[in-house]
Amino acid sequence: DTGVSQNPRHKITKRGQNVTFRCDPISEHNRLYWYRQTLGQGPEFLTYFQNEAQLEKSRLLSDRFSAERPKGSFSTLEIQRTEQGDSAMYLCASSLMAVYGYTFGSGTRLTVV
Amino acid sequence: QKEVEQDPGPLSVPEGAIVSLNCTYSNSAFQYFMWYRQYSRKGPELLMYTYSSGNKEDGRFTAQVDKSSKYISLFIRDSQPSDSATYLCAIIIQGAQKLVFGQGTRLTINP
Repeated sequence: DTGVSQNPRHKITKRGQNVTFRCDPISEHNRLYWYRQTLGQGPEFLTYFQNEAQLEKSRLLSDRFSAERPKGSFSTLEIQRTEQGDSAMYLCASSLMAVYGYTFGSGTRLTVV
Repeated sequence: QKEVEQDPGPLSVPEGAIVSLNCTYSNSAFQYFMWYRQYSRKGPELLMYTYSSGNKEDGRFTAQVDKSSKYISLFIRDSQPSDSATYLCAIIIQGAQKLVFGQGTRLTINP
């Protein structure tokens, strides 16, 4: 197992376009998380899955954002009608038990022009 | 007020120095404490986690928790240029799934 994998590594898109990111967690981990990180800030929680169920969503996750985890394996995060304020690093993480910490992927850097 | 406060730095020290990184938190329900290291353009990497007040040591790294003061620290001994990174504290309530991160402290170790 090579850890948490995220694709693409970098995405440049025009304002108003839709984008989709993919995360492949560590296979033994049933919990999957999405975070957003802007420059000079710590990661901010977006949403959390246990297996295929989305159990918690942040107020940061506006109706333009949607996340899925079909069959409890990989996950996708889609942003519709992107705005310049969506420019950030989108981090995916997985864990068996959150209190022992997550394993993060390398992130997808989104630039909206 | 943020739930977790961390001085963003930047902090610059000479190689071999002892580094002290700190966070304070406001919610006494927080019970598990972690430190992550993040290199530029990479995801955060878990360094240490701890539950109880006191010290936990792992090689050159020591995590310290003072629950009475709501204060956590990470000490790096014999600092190396390869330790140059952003260090993030993260805290979680038992039974919850959401890690709450500090802003991160950018550290540079000068050869």
